Amino acid sequence: DAEITQSPRHKITETGRQVTLACHQTWNHNNMFWYRQDLGHGLRLIHYSYGVHDTNKGEVSDGYSVSRSNTEDLPLTLESAASSQTSVYFCASRSSSNTGELFFGEGSRLTVL
Amino acid sequence: EDKVVQSPLSLVVHEGDTVTLNCSYEVTNFRSLLWYKQEKKAPTFLFMLTSSGIEKKSGRLSSILDKKELFSILNITATQTGDSAIYLCAVGSSNTGKLIFGQGTTLQVKP
Repeated sequence: DAEITQSPRHKITETGRQVTLACHQTWNHNNMFWYRQDLGHGLRLIHYSYGVHDTNKGEVSDGYSVSRSNTEDLPLTLESAASSQTSVYFCASRSSSNTGELFFGEGSRLTVL
Repeated sequence: EDKVVQSPLSLVVHEGDTVTLNCSYEVTNFRSLLWYKQEKKAPTFLFMLTSSGIEKKSGRLSSILDKKELFSILNITATQTGDSAIYLCAVGSSNTGKLIFGQGTTLQVKP
């Protein structure tokens, strides 16, 4: 079955360190998204991509970057982790039609000390 | 700026009650509105609505969209403890293809 997987599922890091969260999907979806979820804010969009070599900033992109070198993967990098980036991160993908549901990964819980 | 607002933010009911969750939006070039249920892990898809006035139904859950007044409601009848979750509303724009989420409504159903 097609799926979307995130790793690591849990990570603790220190302020200032670089962190990369991996996202891999096997649906062959062109559209991929990274969200963070914090209490009281729902899901907020960090970055998204419509295809290989395409990346776009979402509403809370400061301090994060993504790259899209193939269809399956959209890694999210925190260049210099800050305590404000402690959150649960969800990767999601969707077909190119811009309709239909988002398929979510299981989430990555990041704690920045 | 695109915006999705859900209300109430939290709700506590007893088993058997009926609940109505609200989602209002301001989105350029509306394409679709989606409802998700989130328990411990990732959100799971419930409904997608694109046309006004057409009710989508799945068991005890139903939802309807009003594109004139820019809102949707999600109804849950005869609630059960298993309905306890965060319910998320998301709206898609045909311009961008991205989904904008509301803050979510946390529903707790007590026995």
